[in-house]
Amino acid sequence: GEDVEQSLFLSVREGDSSVINCTYTDSSSTYLYWYKQEPGAGLQLLTYIFSNMDMKQDQRLTVLLNKKDKHLSLRIADTQTGDSAIYFCADFWANTDKLIFGTGTRLQVFP
Amino acid sequence: DTEVTQTPKHLVMGMTNKKSLKCEQHMGHRAMYWYKQKAKKPPELMFVYSYEKLSINESVPSRFSPECPNSSLLNLHLHALQPEDSALYLCASSQGSGPQHEQYFGPGTRLTVT
Repeated sequence: GEDVEQSLFLSVREGDSSVINCTYTDSSSTYLYWYKQEPGAGLQLLTYIFSNMDMKQDQRLTVLLNKKDKHLSLRIADTQTGDSAIYFCADFWANTDKLIFGTGTRLQVFP
Repeated sequence: DTEVTQTPKHLVMGMTNKKSLKCEQHMGHRAMYWYKQKAKKPPELMFVYSYEKLSINESVPSRFSPECPNSSLLNLHLHALQPEDSALYLCASSQGSGPQHEQYFGPGTRLTVT
């Protein structure tokens, strides 16, 4: 089945950039998503990228997609303490019509 | 407006109780979802409704019974649950059920089974 992996933890200083990485196995991926989850809350859709794009920028967020290596990243510029959360990448697995979530990366921002 | 609402926020129930979780959206979305999320884990899909019909059941035990009374509402009926069913239950909706339709999530119901 589809497998989506992320590193578990990232710690950055306030004002620095954060880069959260994600790898997936589904070669037929069309849309890949990034969600943010704050403690005790639901998932907030941040952005998505279509598979024929290499890059998408949305204010402080930049998504990079390397289809050959099946690697997705989310860069957050000027990271703030309010960005502290768990970030999930998600791949829509066409074989089953399901959104498959990565393992999640906990981002901690320190002053 | 991209709001999905869920009630209740918290629920504690015994193993012999019957309760229901409710989810509502007014975005005109035609696909609605139930996910289960255990602590420190990603959400796992349970059910998908598309145009008010159940289209995906991820082999969920029958003690969980979904219902979609209309295009704006989604319920999850709970009966004879086990302590291991304690989790955050998330509802989501999207315009359609394909990959190009972003899923918007509610805040979840935190369920504790005693």
